[in-house]
Amino acid sequence: GAVVSQHPSWVICKSGTSVKIECRSLDFQATTMFWYRQFPKQSLMLMATSNEGSKATYEQGVEKDKFLINHASLTLSTLTVTSAHPEDSSFYICRPGQGVIKGTEAFFGQGTRLTVV
Amino acid sequence: SQQGEEDPQALSIQEGENATMNCSYKTSINNLQWYRQNSGRGLVHLILIRSNEREKHSGRLRVTLDTSKKSSSLLITASRAADTASYFCATGRDNQGGKLIFGQGTELSVKP
Repeated sequence: GAVVSQHPSWVICKSGTSVKIECRSLDFQATTMFWYRQFPKQSLMLMATSNEGSKATYEQGVEKDKFLINHASLTLSTLTVTSAHPEDSSFYICRPGQGVIKGTEAFFGQGTRLTVV
Repeated sequence: SQQGEEDPQALSIQEGENATMNCSYKTSINNLQWYRQNSGRGLVHLILIRSNEREKHSGRLRVTLDTSKKSSSLLITASRAADTASYFCATGRDNQGGKLIFGQGTELSVKP
C-alpha cells in the first residue's frame, strides 16, 4: 500500500514560535494533500486541502495566515503553524488524496503531536 | 466541517461480547470508511464500503451501510481487550478529490 511519512511525530515549542510539519508521499505522487487537526477526545477536523503548485483551500474558521501550507512538489506538503499559542496544541495529521478516488483505503501520515508551552 | 454523528460516544463491554457502533451522515456519499485510533496515535484503516454495497466483512468486523437512512454500523464480534480504542467513520464523495469527513467517534473500552 501507499506509504506516507509525516515528520516530526511530536514537537514541543515555545509560545510565539513557528513549527513546520512535513508530509511526504514515498511511493506515489500526491497532487492533493488533506490536513486534519484533532484535539484531545475529539474527532478529526479537516483544516485545509493543499494542491500541488497552487494555493491551498482552507475550511471555514481556519486562519490561512496562521496555518501556512506549501505543496511545492508531488511528494511533499508542509504545514507551518506560525506564532503558535497553547490553544494550537493538538494532533495534526496529513493524508494524500489518492486512495479514496481509486476506491481503496485512504492512507494517513503518522501524525504530529504539537505542544505549545 | 463534521458530517457524521456516531453513537454511542462511549461504550464499555466485557471481553468476548460484541460491540456495535453506529454512524449517521447528512449528505450523499460514494464511500464510507471505518478507522481505529489508539490513544493519541495515528489512524488504522479497518474497512471501506462503497455506496452500492450493503455489507462487508473482514475478520471479526462487519460493516453495514444503509444509504436510504444515511447510516452505517460497525460490529466487532468476540471483542478482546486489545480492541480498546476510538473508532471513527469517515465519508467521501468521488467528486471531492478524496476528501474525507469524519464522524465524532466512539470510544470503546473492552474489559478483560
